[in-house]
Amino acid sequence: EAGVTQFPSHSVIEKGQTVTLRCDPISGHDNLYWYRRVMGKEIKFLLHFVKESKQDESGMPNNRFLAERTGGTYSTLKVQPAELEDSGVYFCASSQDQRLAGHNEQFFGPGTRLTVL
Amino acid sequence: AQKVTQAQTEISVVEKEDVTLDCVYETRDTTYYLFWYKQPPSGELVFLIRRNSFDEQNEISGRYSWNFQKSTSSFNFTITASQVVDSAVYFCALSEAGIANFGNEKLTFGTGTRLTIIP
Repeated sequence: EAGVTQFPSHSVIEKGQTVTLRCDPISGHDNLYWYRRVMGKEIKFLLHFVKESKQDESGMPNNRFLAERTGGTYSTLKVQPAELEDSGVYFCASSQDQRLAGHNEQFFGPGTRLTVL
Repeated sequence: AQKVTQAQTEISVVEKEDVTLDCVYETRDTTYYLFWYKQPPSGELVFLIRRNSFDEQNEISGRYSWNFQKSTSSFNFTITASQVVDSAVYFCALSEAGIANFGNEKLTFGTGTRLTIIP
């Protein structure tokens, strides 16, 4: 079974440009989470999808960040326009429907390292 | 609000020594889950353990063991007879599971502890 995949693995862009990160969760996982780790600090929650619906986007830093999950499969996270402080590693995670298997472990992807110059 | 503190930023030990990684958490929920994840040099986060707030039994898995103490709000992780392959960044995390958070299992992470095992 394939794990969570993320693309690209690295992205280097200039301030003001746009970048789109993609996450493919494990097949059948309804829950999809985005997290970010900035400059060696803690990994912080950004938002949570249940299928195609945003369940919680309380961690999104500002309106320059837009996440989508059309059709409830893969998700994209767009940063437009990118700022220097957006640099970090963006992780995606997925988990099963909580109703089916209780409080679940989240399976993480390898992350996308974003550098904004 | 929930918080996880990993006071040890970096630890280095010689191979075969035992090492304990500390984790202290804060939460107002009476129902919650605690996790440990390992991040090897390859970058992905690897799940190690999940423990719910009603189960304070210590757990052992091979060379790994976890000590959960609600009285001190701690969930420490010990590696016995460390090996070079244990070198990684280790994250402790908390997920509140009260009614207000039903269906949302977002994780609150600590800042991680970088463990280096010296051959």
